[in-house]
Amino acid sequence: GAVVSQHPSRVICKSGTSVKIECRSLDFQATTMFWYRQFPKQSLMLMATSNEGSKATYEQGVEKDKFLINHASLTLSTLTVTSAHPEDSSFYICSAQERNQETQYFGPGTRLLVL
Amino acid sequence: EDKVVQSPLSLVVHEGDTVTLNCSYEVTNFRSLLWYKQEKKAPTFLFMLTSSGIEKKSGRLSSILDKKELSSILNITATQTGDSAIYLCAPRIQGAQKLVFGQGTRLTINP
Repeated sequence: GAVVSQHPSRVICKSGTSVKIECRSLDFQATTMFWYRQFPKQSLMLMATSNEGSKATYEQGVEKDKFLINHASLTLSTLTVTSAHPEDSSFYICSAQERNQETQYFGPGTRLLVL
Repeated sequence: EDKVVQSPLSLVVHEGDTVTLNCSYEVTNFRSLLWYKQEKKAPTFLFMLTSSGIEKKSGRLSSILDKKELSSILNITATQTGDSAIYLCAPRIQGAQKLVFGQGTRLTINP
């Protein structure tokens, strides 16, 4: 149980293009999903928290117009990196949490490389 | 500001050794603390601790929380090369959904 998938696992794109990353909870309903970014040899940095049907709450310093988050259903959240630049290259990880539960289950991550 | 410090940052031991990883936290309105193991990809859940002094165990791994000392330890006995990973602790704040992650301990088990 508690399986979270992400797609794609790896993406390479040109500077200026937009990239969409999907996060799905496969066997539970995720009322809350989280998006993290991780730089090499560093810990997870929370970017935003999204509750199903509501606008995402972004952490300080994260541009909401650049990192668009949609959590339209209880099993799917998407992160769109708009007008990507090389400095957006990173490992993006989502996690999902069921209502009234405290454990976050992580997806396998998406490695983004912007050329 | 919420703060989580893990120690050591890096640890290299031989297979069969026992290791203890530490996590200290300073957060407002502590609710629970979670431990994760991260290998090459995303973290996998190990333990969630809410009560002080009660050990949680899973095979060779065990963990305990000390709310008085604002800390937690993760023990791994009879280590194996497959235990090599980054171990992350993350307190959760009362009333908040998010976790505050420490910087992790990179554990390397040599054969």
